[in-house]
Amino acid sequence: DAMVIQNPRYQVTQFGKPVTLSCSQTLNHNVMYWYQQKSSQAPKLLFHYYDKDFNNEADTPDNFQSRRPNTSFCFLDIRSPGLGDAAMYLCATSREGGVNEQFFGPGTRLTVL
Amino acid sequence: AQSVTQLDSQVPVFEEAPVELRCNYSSSVSVYLFWYVQYPNQGLQLLLKYLSGSTLVESINGFEAEFNKSQTSFHLRKPSVHISDTAEYFCAVSDLRDSSYKLIFGSGTRLLVRP
Repeated sequence: DAMVIQNPRYQVTQFGKPVTLSCSQTLNHNVMYWYQQKSSQAPKLLFHYYDKDFNNEADTPDNFQSRRPNTSFCFLDIRSPGLGDAAMYLCATSREGGVNEQFFGPGTRLTVL
Repeated sequence: AQSVTQLDSQVPVFEEAPVELRCNYSSSVSVYLFWYVQYPNQGLQLLLKYLSGSTLVESINGFEAEFNKSQTSFHLRKPSVHISDTAEYFCAVSDLRDSSYKLIFGSGTRLLVRP
């Protein structure tokens, strides 16, 4: 089945230690999104790629970076995780953006010790 | 900027009872509206969406939502819920003035169906 895969599902890191979260998709969608979802809060868009074009949200901290080496893969890099970065990170894809449905992965829950 | 309000953080209801989950958005300019559902330890799944046309939209599992432009609302309803409907429900809006068509989510409503 075509899907959005996130690895790992659970990630534990230490304060200040860089961490990378992975997302891959078999849908061949050209738009990929990264959301941060804290407990009992709405998912918050961090950034998205339209093909290779990177679009950063204005309030996304510089601590968060992203890479998209090809259509299928997208990475979220947190350069120096703080305790406040502990959250669920959701990857989503859509075809051509616009009103097309976004397909979400199961998320990676990040714990910062 | 657009915002979405889901006033109820949790809605407990007995099985086979009707339910309404409320959603209001901030602007009546052209928007697309969505309901997503999130089951435990899973990603979000699209439940239904309003783009244009009939203001009443339905999902395949019995949910429906009605777009009310004058009240800037998009409440989700189901006449008879099942235990399996227990999940987190997110209302989202996409502002047509934003060329990225990104989704703005509400804070979610946890539907808890009791036997």
